Formats: sequence, C-alpha cells, structure tokens
Amino acid sequence: DQQVKQNSPSLSVQEGRISILNCDYTNSMFDYFLWYKKYPAEGPTFLISISSIKDKNEDGRFTVFLNKSAKHLSLHIVPSQPGDSAVYFCAASSGTYKYIFGTGTRLKVLA
Amino acid sequence: NAGVTQTPKFRILKIGQSMTLQCTQDMNHNYMYWYRQDPGMGLKLIYYSVGAGITDKGEVPNGYNVSRSTTEDFPLRLELAAPSQTSVYFCASRPLGATTSGTSTDTQYFGPGTRLTVL
Repeated sequence: DQQVKQNSPSLSVQEGRISILNCDYTNSMFDYFLWYKKYPAEGPTFLISISSIKDKNEDGRFTVFLNKSAKHLSLHIVPSQPGDSAVYFCAASSGTYKYIFGTGTRLKVLA
Repeated sequence: NAGVTQTPKFRILKIGQSMTLQCTQDMNHNYMYWYRQDPGMGLKLIYYSVGAGITDKGEVPNGYNVSRSTTEDFPLRLELAAPSQTSVYFCASRPLGATTSGTSTDTQYFGPGTRLTVL
C-alpha cells in the first residue's frame, strides 16, 4: 500500500521553463510534507517543506503547493536550470518523527 | 561539522555473511534513521531511534538489527546477508522539533549512502 505516490517516473523540461512535479497521498493524517532532491551517488538533500496549515510555501525558485481536499501536492521550479536535474522525492509525516517517501521523479532540464 | 557520515561506501557480501554499516552524526541530533533504497523505489524505513538507548522498527526491519548507545552513532547490523538485502542504505538524522512548524530544522539530514551487494 503506497501511501505517497509520485506517478511520473521522469520529466524533461527546457531550461528556463517551469518544472512541475506532482505527489499524491492517501493518508489524511499526514500534516507535514517535504521535498528532497537527490543527485547520483549522494544522499537526499532537503529542498522545501509545507505544513498542512498552509497551502503554499515559497523559497526562491521553488514553490510547493498543497491541496488537502485532493490530497495532492506539487513542486514548481521556475526558472528551471540544468543544475536542477536530479531525482525529486516527496515525503509525508503524520505529526511524528517518521516519514513516508514516494518513489521519486527524475527531472532532466535540457540546456 | 561533517554532518552525517557513513562507512563503508561500497561493500560486497556473500550470502550468509554478516556486517555492520556505520553511521555517525556530529550535529547532536536526537533522531536517527536507517533507510534502504531499491532501484526505482523510494526510501523505505528500516529502523529509527529517538535518542540514545531507544530504537524502534520501521517499515522493513526483518533481517536487520540496530543499537544506539550514544547520541552520535547508530550502526545497522546485518546478521545473515541475503540477496534481497542488495540495496543502497542511507542513514539520516533530525533535530528535536515540531513537525508542523514548517522550518528546515524539522527535516532530516542524510549521509552519502552505502551501496551493498549480496551475492
């Protein structure tokens, strides 16, 4: 039972355009969501997070949107840069210190 | 400040062998975690610890053991290696804090991973 789903295994975007990565979840108890970026042969690194009391959080080129009624969150990267090419994981927590991760989306930004 | 360090980086084991994956963090974080990542899959939680002397099972604990005698160290032990344990293993740590505050201090910091192959 996959509680956090990233249905797009890969995404290609032209440099300078917007990248939109999606994540769906099934557990309505999740109240905190995170996005991590992972380069090959490295551990994941934190990118941005959002609490369930918000519907948007912005940090520079990165914005996360949360739609609680649809149990859906998305990560927008504007403008996309070649250095953003990586695997992106979304993760969710239900008020505890444990996180459930999605399967990841591989983003390729074309120069 | 080295963050989270893991050793070894790579290891090949034969079926039935045992080994310990080492994880150390120098950030004085209370929480520590072990994940495994199989190809094309997300990270699955193996074990976690909320402080020295306290550990608990995650989603996929079978075949593994952990201990947490100090705040800094959280080793993962494989007693009888099996091919199904071929994976990349990540250790992570997190500071004590509310999960709903929405700040980066609530997030996990990952080590670089250990790639384990069991033949």
